[in-house]
Amino acid sequence: AQSVTQLDSHVSVSEGTPVLLRCNYSSSYSPSLFWYVQHPNKGLQLLLKYTSAATLVKGINGFEAEFKKSETSFHLTKPSAHMSDAAEYFCVVSEDGGFKTIFGAGTRLFVKA
Amino acid sequence: EAGVAQSPRYKIIEKRQSVAFWCNPISGHATLYWYQQILGQGPKLLIQFQNNGVVDDSQLPKDRFSAERLKGVDSTLKIQPAKLEDSAVYLCASSPMGGTGNEQYFGPGTRLTVT
Repeated sequence: AQSVTQLDSHVSVSEGTPVLLRCNYSSSYSPSLFWYVQHPNKGLQLLLKYTSAATLVKGINGFEAEFKKSETSFHLTKPSAHMSDAAEYFCVVSEDGGFKTIFGAGTRLFVKA
Repeated sequence: EAGVAQSPRYKIIEKRQSVAFWCNPISGHATLYWYQQILGQGPKLLIQFQNNGVVDDSQLPKDRFSAERLKGVDSTLKIQPAKLEDSAVYLCASSPMGGTGNEQYFGPGTRLTVT
């Protein structure tokens, strides 16, 4: 059975400092992994996805994530936070060959001026 | 390209009443998803359609929830009768095809409050 664990429910950073949002997963198959962002009163938007190609994935707005199979992790990073990055971030797993999509509980990112 | 459309955006009903939500996916997208997002939680997949067939409805409370996608295009999700714990945002998403690796495009959601 597959599952997703986002290790922090809230993360607070200062503007201009690095961002790290942690995600661990379990999957019986070769998974596809995604990060989505949800700004207040806006729809979910894809940041980036991993689908068994390069393990370091670059997304929109300067975000990237690294797939580490040995650690079953897919952490999201950004070198320098902007105020506009404040939002809820969801790590998502989808199993290869299957159709099940599971969202993590989410991490709310706060960015201080 | 028009995005995923949902209506209504907001709905307030009393418990034991019924309610229906409508979703129109992006044109040409074969796969349609309905999610329930309770406040403070991640979205939970309720049902997934591939064209007009159900691929996964394992988490749909079938005693009160139903969904259809009769012509393989738009879809309706119904709750009858509603309970207090059904208060949530109901999200519709679509993708060009099912399976892994395919980005889902989300609509704005319908916020349901059951009193």
